[in-house]
Amino acid sequence: NAGVTQTPKFRVLKTGQSMTLLCAQDMNHEYMYWYRQDPGMGLRLIHYSVGEGTTAKGEVPDGYNVSRLKKQNFLLGLESAAPSQTSVYFCASSYSAGIYGYTFGSGTRLTVV
Amino acid sequence: AQTVTQSQPEMSVQEAETVTLSCTYDTSESDYYLFWYKQPPSRQMILVIRQEAYKQQNATENRFSVNFQKAAKSFSLKISDSQLGDAAMYFCALETSGSRLTFGEGTQLTVNP
Repeated sequence: NAGVTQTPKFRVLKTGQSMTLLCAQDMNHEYMYWYRQDPGMGLRLIHYSVGEGTTAKGEVPDGYNVSRLKKQNFLLGLESAAPSQTSVYFCASSYSAGIYGYTFGSGTRLTVV
Repeated sequence: AQTVTQSQPEMSVQEAETVTLSCTYDTSESDYYLFWYKQPPSRQMILVIRQEAYKQQNATENRFSVNFQKAAKSFSLKISDSQLGDAAMYFCALETSGSRLTFGEGTQLTVNP
């Protein structure tokens, strides 16, 4: 099915370890986003991209890096994981601002111990 | 900066009854989009309804409708004939010219049989 695919779906990390979350979309969307969801705080934007080769910081970028080398992929990296990064991470993509809404992946539950 | 506030962390409704979820927002822009997303226990984010700020007519999608009050910066969601499958977390979201979604804290809706 067409949509946004996130891998992995679950992960447990030790403090200080690194990892990369992969987001792939097959809808030829220009815009891609990484959000984190924490209880009582809704979804907060970490980084986003408005096209291949571009990235920009969102509301909570510290501790994360991103890359968009190919239009269909958006990678989120944690270089040195901290317990405060325990969260559910969502990737989303959109064709154009607002009109069509956003398509979300199913999320990655990350626990840092 | 944009903000979205959902003042009702939890709501409950009897099956077949009507419930209204509240949302207020703040932005200095005149052109923007508003959304309601549903997140069931599966964690998937599902677009429920969207509203363009330049349209005075309130959006409607089957049993879901909004009351958009632009001057008051209010965007409430009404669910009519509530069904057990409507039980979920509901998020209000705002998109402005920056092509990024800002989410509220969420409202957990329980539907009682």
